[in-house]
Amino acid sequence: DGGITQSPKYLFRKEGQNVTLSCEQNLNHDAMYWYRQDPGQGLRLIYYSQIVNDFQKGDIAEGYSVSREKKESFPLTVTSAQKNPTAFYLCASSMGTGVPYEQYFGPGTRLTVT
Amino acid sequence: RKEVEQDPGPFNVPEGATVAFNCTYSNSASQSFFWYRQDCRKEPKLLMSVYSSGNEDGRFTAQLNRASQYISLLIRDSKLSDSATYLCVVKRSGSARQLTFGSGTQLTVLP
Repeated sequence: DGGITQSPKYLFRKEGQNVTLSCEQNLNHDAMYWYRQDPGQGLRLIYYSQIVNDFQKGDIAEGYSVSREKKESFPLTVTSAQKNPTAFYLCASSMGTGVPYEQYFGPGTRLTVT
Repeated sequence: RKEVEQDPGPFNVPEGATVAFNCTYSNSASQSFFWYRQDCRKEPKLLMSVYSSGNEDGRFTAQLNRASQYISLLIRDSKLSDSATYLCVVKRSGSARQLTFGSGTQLTVLP
């Protein structure tokens, strides 16, 4: 079955530690995205990648880093520089060119930093 | 002003009711529009795209009014399983494939 997987589902870290969230897709999509969602708020774009070995900052990239070495994978690192890292992190993918523009989401990772 | 604005609700309606959600967007050059559904503590899932002529999928009808920069979602004959948060989503014009998500409207269908 095609889809997007994210692991782990729940992640707990101490303040000051970097943590990497995994995102893998087998939909053969060129474009991938990372969002964070805070309670009662909409999704905010952190980083996106339209093609392998290329990525751009979204609206709230500070304190985060990504890599896109393979089409299937787009890991997100939450660094110690991110001031409020506790959130629900969602990875998505879509076609890279043309229509449709819909994005499809993985199940998310809930990160708690104390 | 937010790029995409929705009434947060909550909307509490009895089973079988008809309920409508509205959404406004600020960028008149926006191109593509969607409704996503998000269950509690789950990922958003595409409910339907919104076309200029309006479109229907079973009990769900989506409308777009470009002149007023307004999108709506109508749910007829509400089911308990329709309880969720409904996200209005707009593709940003000229911005590759980025989408802007509204904060969502919460719906609870009561037995």
